[in-house]
Amino acid sequence: GAGVSQTPSNKVTEKGKYVELRCDPISGHTALYWYRQSLGQGPEFLIYFQGTGAADDSGLPNDRFFAVRPEGSVSTLKIQRTERGDSAVYLCASSPTGADTDTQYFGPGTRLTVL
Amino acid sequence: SQQGEEDPQALSIQEGENATMNCSYKTSINNLQWYRQNSGRGLVHLILIRSNEREKHSGRLRVTLDTSKKSSSLLITASRAADTASYFCATDADRPWIIQGAQKLVFGQGTRLTINP
Repeated sequence: GAGVSQTPSNKVTEKGKYVELRCDPISGHTALYWYRQSLGQGPEFLIYFQGTGAADDSGLPNDRFFAVRPEGSVSTLKIQRTERGDSAVYLCASSPTGADTDTQYFGPGTRLTVL
Repeated sequence: SQQGEEDPQALSIQEGENATMNCSYKTSINNLQWYRQNSGRGLVHLILIRSNEREKHSGRLRVTLDTSKKSSSLLITASRAADTASYFCATDADRPWIIQGAQKLVFGQGTRLTINP
């Protein structure tokens, strides 16, 4: 079956612009996660959704970052007034229930470059 | 913040040799997982080991966990060129919402493994 998909695969924007990154999880997965990975580092947690609600947004670096999942499936990560430091690969993952023994299935990521 | 630290940061071996990567972490955990990442993009789950397990096997992979030392190792036997990738350990972060049991993963910095033909 289809895995987690993310669009766009690459996004280049200018400092100060607004961007939206989309994640399509595996069908039926209730848990959805966003991570950010800087060059040479491991992924860092941003936000976790259980269904439509953000159960944990403690990893969002500041209020320029926001994410939604209005129907409990597709999620959009929104970044306002982008800064050069936001450049990274943004990874989305989904899991069946969010249980601690679930495997998280990752998408290919969106590489964001802020000029 | 990152909980795990992988060692070594980079490893280069000949095809057919065994590759061993280590991971250390800081806080108590319920389980630890290993992931592989090719070309800096999507991660692929390899294996999960629970805190009450000491060793686990999956094909050519062997994972050990020593909770007293807060460390884990990943052994890849009979390495192949296709094993070239970055390998990350990930632990479940401290969870204030025990009832929900959501698994927020905390990753290490990874080991870049190169298998030379």
